[in-house]
Amino acid sequence: DARVTQTPRHKVTEMGQEVTMRCQPILGHNTVFWYRQTMMQGLELLAYFRNRAPLDDSGMPKDRFSAEMPDATLATLKIQPSEPRDSAVYFCASGLDRPENSPLHFGNGTRLTVT
Amino acid sequence: AQSVSQHNHHVILSEAASLELGCNYSYGGTVNLFWYVQYPGQHLQLLLKYFSGDPLVKGIKGFEAEFIKSKFSFNLRKPSVQWSDTAEYFCAVNSWGKLQFGAGTQVVVTP
Repeated sequence: DARVTQTPRHKVTEMGQEVTMRCQPILGHNTVFWYRQTMMQGLELLAYFRNRAPLDDSGMPKDRFSAEMPDATLATLKIQPSEPRDSAVYFCASGLDRPENSPLHFGNGTRLTVT
Repeated sequence: AQSVSQHNHHVILSEAASLELGCNYSYGGTVNLFWYVQYPGQHLQLLLKYFSGDPLVKGIKGFEAEFIKSKFSFNLRKPSVQWSDTAEYFCAVNSWGKLQFGAGTQVVVTP
């Protein structure tokens, strides 16, 4: 059963440090999404890619967040510098261009705590 | 602005009770509609989806949802819930390839 893999599962870091979260989408999927989940805001779309090209990152604080897809098997989300308000669970999801063929598949998330 | 609204943030009900969760969206044009479920400590999983055709769609675990285009609604239902249905439920809309989620509804089923 194919899965989206996210690493690390948990990350605790101090304010000001750089955080890198990684996602391996399901092989063959050409869309990748990054979501942030908090109690207050729910699920927020941060960025999404199609065929490795960033299509929309309007939900992402540009001054500290960056998202990239160095290749088709890896998506990264970086926060530099991190702040306590970035504490959340970050989910990666992948899918196919035509959603009727395949809905999004979510990874298990990275739980980030910034102290 | 495009949005997805879920009417209830928290729902508490007893086993065997019926469940209905409301979802409204404000997108124009063609949309694809989804309900996802997140069990405690787990990732989101697809419950059901609507793309076209019969507006009443059936998903896993006895869930169903009805798409009412005139009301921009896609409500989730289950006739008789179980304790294992305790989870957070998210309505989502795919428009132009972007999946937007509602705020979620936390459902607690008591024995």
